[in-house]
Amino acid sequence: EEQLVGSGGGLVQPGGSLRLSCAASGFNFSRFEMNWVRQAPGKGLEWVSYVSRGGDTKYYADSVKARFTISRDNAKNSLYLEMNSLRVEDTAVYYCVRDRAYPDVWGQGTSVTVSS
Amino acid sequence: EIVLTQSPGTLSLSPGERATLSCRASQTVSNNHLAWYQQKPGQAPSLLIFAASSRATGIPDRFSGSGSGTDFTLTISRLEPEDSAVYYCQQYVRSRWTFGQGTRVEIK
Repeated sequence: EEQLVGSGGGLVQPGGSLRLSCAASGFNFSRFEMNWVRQAPGKGLEWVSYVSRGGDTKYYADSVKARFTISRDNAKNSLYLEMNSLRVEDTAVYYCVRDRAYPDVWGQGTSVTVSS
Repeated sequence: EIVLTQSPGTLSLSPGERATLSCRASQTVSNNHLAWYQQKPGQAPSLLIFAASSRATGIPDRFSGSGSGTDFTLTISRLEPEDSAVYYCQQYVRSRWTFGQGTRVEIK
């Protein structure tokens, strides 16, 4: 079964940092571009970041640019999101998503709460 | 950035009825790179339709997508109780995806 399992979420104070991880299984991870998408409580979906198959091309939403860093380790079948200078408005469930041009496989989501 | 606007915000229908959900783009979605997702409470979104009209694996044929250019539609031909969910459209013309704000479908 093709699966993505996210982890690393939690409660953090404004200005703090957190690193999300996403473990892929059941498919050849290195062949797919990957993304992070988030969903604030009661809100819609917001694309956050993209990384190419080899990790050399990365894109970010303006709302997280210069604060978040996406990366991947194909040897470990893992995707990461390093989040710094966190703000209250970054509170959301973060989904790792496989990119088959369109998002076709979603992780279960990991919850991030930024609050003092 | 391509802005997607979905309507209506909420649809309340009875089982067996037909649901028509609209997604309008602020500019042409080239190559019909538009997808539809279903999201139930507490769950991740689930792919229904890609390339505007192609059903994802395992999706019942009561779900269909149509449209091109800037106007797209998701139709659920015969609503079932388990179709109660929020439905999102999404464009993937470029690697910076955007999503519509969602349409909530309620089953009476």
